[in-house]
Amino acid sequence: NAGVMQNPRHLVRRRGQEARLRCSPMKGHSHVYWYRQLPEEGLKFMVYLQKENIIDESGMPKERFSAEFPKEGPSILRIQQVVRGDSAAYFCASSPENSYNSPLHFGNGTRLTVT
Amino acid sequence: EDKVVQSPLSLVVHEGDTVTLNCSYEVTNFRSLLWYKQEKKAPTFLFMLTSSGIEKKSGRLSSILDKKELFSILNITATQTGDSAVYLCAVEGNYGGSQGNLIFGKGTKLSVKP
Repeated sequence: NAGVMQNPRHLVRRRGQEARLRCSPMKGHSHVYWYRQLPEEGLKFMVYLQKENIIDESGMPKERFSAEFPKEGPSILRIQQVVRGDSAAYFCASSPENSYNSPLHFGNGTRLTVT
Repeated sequence: EDKVVQSPLSLVVHEGDTVTLNCSYEVTNFRSLLWYKQEKKAPTFLFMLTSSGIEKKSGRLSSILDKKELFSILNITATQTGDSAVYLCAVEGNYGGSQGNLIFGKGTKLSVKP
C-alpha cells in the first residue's frame, strides 16, 4: 500500500528555467495538496486540487506558479522562470474524498535548488 | 491572522528525560489540531485533536488540547535518540468548503543525547 509518491527527490535548476514537480497520491485518494517549506520556516499551504479542479489556490504565488491534477496521471506543480527564492522543499499530501477530520499524509518531498 | 506558535524552538535533552512541547494557536473556526514528526523527509502524522481535555496516547507520546486557552502540548516520556526530530504543530480552520489548508508552526527541534 504505497504512500504519497513524489518525484524527483532532488531537482536542480538554473535561474530562468522551468521546474516540474510530480505527485502521485495514495491509492484511492482523489484530493491533493501542495505545501512549500522554505529553509528555517514552517510548511506553507499552496494549493488544494481534486481531479481536474483547483479548489483552493489561496497560497499560490500570483505569478510563475501553476498546478494541475488531470483525470489521468500525477498532479504537477509547475514553476516557470525559477528564481533563487524558489529554492525550498515542496511537499505533497493526499486524502480520500470524504476526508473531514482525516489527517493529511505527506510524501517525501522534492528539494528544489535554484542556482 | 491565523497563526501557530511553538515553543521552545529547540531543546536538547538526555536519553530517559521527559519533554513537553508547546503549541498555541489563533485560527478562524477551529476544526482540528495536528502534531507531526519530521526527520529528514516527510512529516509523519502523530496525533489529531479535535476535542478539549481528551488525551491521545501512542506509546511514549501523548498529547492534549485546550480549546478554551487555545493551546496543545505534546509529551514524550523516556526519550530515546530516535526521538530526535523536528516536531510540527498545525491547525486547520473551517474555510468555507475548503480543506487541508493547515497552518503550521515553525516547529520544535528536539535533540536527544545518548
